[in-house]
Amino acid sequence: NAGVTQTPKFQVLKTGQSMTLQCAQDMNHEYMSWYRQDPGMGLRLIHYSVGAGITDQGEVPNGYNVSRSTTEDFPLRLLSAAPSQTSVYFCASSRGPDQPQHFGDGTRLSIL
Amino acid sequence: GENVEQHPSTLSVQEGDSAVIKCTYSDSASNYFPWYKQELGKRPQLIIDIRSNVGEKKDQRIAVTLNKTAKHFSLHITETQPEDSAVYFCAARYSGGGADGLTFGKGTHLIIQP
Repeated sequence: NAGVTQTPKFQVLKTGQSMTLQCAQDMNHEYMSWYRQDPGMGLRLIHYSVGAGITDQGEVPNGYNVSRSTTEDFPLRLLSAAPSQTSVYFCASSRGPDQPQHFGDGTRLSIL
Repeated sequence: GENVEQHPSTLSVQEGDSAVIKCTYSDSASNYFPWYKQELGKRPQLIIDIRSNVGEKKDQRIAVTLNKTAKHFSLHITETQPEDSAVYFCAARYSGGGADGLTFGKGTHLIIQP
């Protein structure tokens, strides 16, 4: 039982490049979410999904896209990376938004 | 939306003493309040949570209290141990419309002095 798996663990990008952060869960959770964590800022919600085919914006969605074609996978796309997107990104899943969220190990992303 | 304030940002206590971390939230529609512990370089892990229909919850050395009228909730750790050293985050789930997810406080760095 792997829980929530994020790939890659580390990534360095140049400004303007695009990439996809992968997130997969094997707990059959309907609710999945992406957060970014910056020093001194806590975790901030980027996008979330309440089930396959349904996504919505969180607190800081600009510059990011998501899709949810299956219950298991919830990828996060950076369309044109900017230095302000340097952060640690966490994916989480749960049975619902008011249920305990299980976090992945995070992706540490640097934009040069 | 929701706004969560967390205090203090750093808390240093002697091993064996108690630690208290406090959070306030802005919207009375919030109904779920989890606490997460994060060790350096690791993922956040849930340690305890409470819902708006409960005033207090306890799990061994950890307890959480909720005051809906004042819109604040607190984490209490008794008999602190070195392994309690970490960053602790409170969060609130806002259910009044708009983004449906957790709003986190900025964290408290808890240091247990031997």
